[in-house]
Amino acid sequence: GAVVSQHPSWVICKSGTSVKIECRSLDFQATTMFWYRQFPKQSLMLMATSNEGSKATYEQGVEKDKFLINHASLTLSTLTVTSAHPEDSSFYICSALSGQLNTDTQYFGPGTRLTVL
Amino acid sequence: DAKTTQPPSMDCAEGRAANLPCNHSTISGNEYVYWYRQIHSQGPQYIIHGLKNNETNEMASLIITEDRKSSTLILPHATLRDTAVYYCIVIQGAQKLVFGQGTRLTINP
Repeated sequence: GAVVSQHPSWVICKSGTSVKIECRSLDFQATTMFWYRQFPKQSLMLMATSNEGSKATYEQGVEKDKFLINHASLTLSTLTVTSAHPEDSSFYICSALSGQLNTDTQYFGPGTRLTVL
Repeated sequence: DAKTTQPPSMDCAEGRAANLPCNHSTISGNEYVYWYRQIHSQGPQYIIHGLKNNETNEMASLIITEDRKSSTLILPHATLRDTAVYYCIVIQGAQKLVFGQGTRLTINP
């Protein structure tokens, strides 16, 4: 149990385009999902917290209009990077939280590597 | 900022026990100690967590000192696939995880 998937696993896009990344909890319902970003040789940095059916809470310094998060169901959250630029190239990772399985434990997806040309 | 301190790197021989220390001297009474690891270019993997009692699962053991100011993650028989960055995180309830730099564990053949 506690499997989280992400799609796509990698994506290359042109500067100025938008990219959508999906995060799914496959065998449990996730009331809360988190989105992280990791630059090379750095640790994970939390971008935002999303709760099903409500607006996401963004960390300081993260532009909510650039990184659109939708958590429309208990098993799916999406992150859309709008008007992507080369500096947005990074490893994007989601995690899902379910009190049903192992109280308050976050389970992570495999990550999506975004390269903006 | 992370509430934990870990050595930046460690080496261990394959087949031996890997003991990864973590200091969390400011931990509060209702905060748990969580351990995750991240293998290169993958998402973090949950290993184990505990409050004050020692814990063991199929992956590892977690030893928490009586004063809860430090803990040790033990991989009993390390394999090459255990090479990863290990993160010790202190968290209360369903809060956001704050990742520090972790310990880069290298298992040598």
